[in-house]
Amino acid sequence: GAGVSQSPSNKVTEKGKDVELRCDPISGHTALYWYRQRLGQGLEFLIYFQGNSAPDKSGLPSDRFSAERTGESVSTLTIQRTQQEDSAVYLCASSLGVRGANSPLHFGNGTRLTVT
Amino acid sequence: SQQGEEDPQALSIQEGENATMNCSYKTSINNLQWYRQNSGRGLVHLILIRSNEREKHSGRLRVTLDTSKKSSSLLITASRAADTASYFCATPPGPSNTGKLIFGQGTTLQVKP
Repeated sequence: GAGVSQSPSNKVTEKGKDVELRCDPISGHTALYWYRQRLGQGLEFLIYFQGNSAPDKSGLPSDRFSAERTGESVSTLTIQRTQQEDSAVYLCASSLGVRGANSPLHFGNGTRLTVT
Repeated sequence: SQQGEEDPQALSIQEGENATMNCSYKTSINNLQWYRQNSGRGLVHLILIRSNEREKHSGRLRVTLDTSKKSSSLLITASRAADTASYFCATPPGPSNTGKLIFGQGTTLQVKP
């Protein structure tokens, strides 16, 4: 595809359930990012994958959050035992990473998660 | 931790006027980027300025960088209603280029027709 694709675009789940969000980055992009954006707020960094390096997980808010990436392709963000405060838009972005120094991020349109 | 902070939080102007948004950051950086977000969409990259650059232009956009003050500004000239969006600055968390970017809280711009 031409851009970063995220699915689902919307997800409504009950408190306590697990959810899995998917991101398909732009082909050839070695770097992949997950951000969280609460309503009317800025972007909160969650996790960053760069090639085969160990991911930077410093932004994950709790051990209920985890993410995986297969090689330089698809990534999934999993939230276990969802809480109402997890409600937000989860944005994925990819970039050429350090191969292309200072390369811009390309964002998907996000997954809007609502925990009821 | 927050690296970039935008100012003002919200800005409302008439079409044709110029809009200026500011971003301050805390640590030394090697580049600063500006992004735009339309309501309900992902962010779109606007412009990147390197630490050895002081000013950069792209169409109606003008970005300045003052590394001594750890600040940047984004100027949109001759604004249009279609410029209505949120604007974010983004910086690396430190001086080295690891690829990681930290975003500010954004400035919400409303351009009235």
